[in-house]
Amino acid sequence: KAGVTQTPRYLIKTRGQQVTLSCSPISGHRSVSWYQQTPGQGLQFLFEYFSETQRNKGNFPGRFSGRQFSNSRSEMNVSTLELGDSALYLCASSSGDRSSYNEQFFGPGTRLTVL
Amino acid sequence: GNSVTQMEGPVTLSEEAFLTINCTYTATGYPSLFWYVQYPGEGLQLLLKATKADDKGSNKGFEATYRKETTSFHLEKGSVQVSDSAVYFCALMNTGFQKLVFGTGTRLLVSP
Repeated sequence: KAGVTQTPRYLIKTRGQQVTLSCSPISGHRSVSWYQQTPGQGLQFLFEYFSETQRNKGNFPGRFSGRQFSNSRSEMNVSTLELGDSALYLCASSSGDRSSYNEQFFGPGTRLTVL
Repeated sequence: GNSVTQMEGPVTLSEEAFLTINCTYTATGYPSLFWYVQYPGEGLQLLLKATKADDKGSNKGFEATYRKETTSFHLEKGSVQVSDSAVYFCALMNTGFQKLVFGTGTRLLVSP
């Protein structure tokens, strides 16, 4: 079974630009979550999508948004980039069943650098 | 709110030494607890998990026991290898929510 894939792996942007990151979950998984990893703030939850609907949201400004398609692939968008948005962005997929624990599988991440 | 506290690193050990990385948590309800490992340049890999009190998670020689009375989930390994050098994250998740809350991570450096 193929794992979680993220594209691109590396990205360099300048302040003020916008960026779109993509995540393809494991086949059959309907939940995709996004996390931001920075040296200062550590790993922080951005949002979760399940069946094309945002089901959970972290404490990030509205410049951070996402969506999920009918095939469960997800994109996240960051508009008006700031230097502090430089981070490793990780996505994780799971079955999304809320009635029990289900493991989240992480992708390799997209390294975003804002200059 | 939910939070995870883990010991500061780096932890520097010689090969075959005993490892303990402390982790304590604060949570509402009865969360599941996890240890994830991150190797340089890679994403997170689940190392082990425990979903209820007194459960012991184990994998690749690593172990951790879910202690509700002390709200702890300490990671241990009896004999570390150079290949164990990585960053280890303790995390929790409340059942029904696909949101992991992570500790700050502990870097482990193992020398030959």
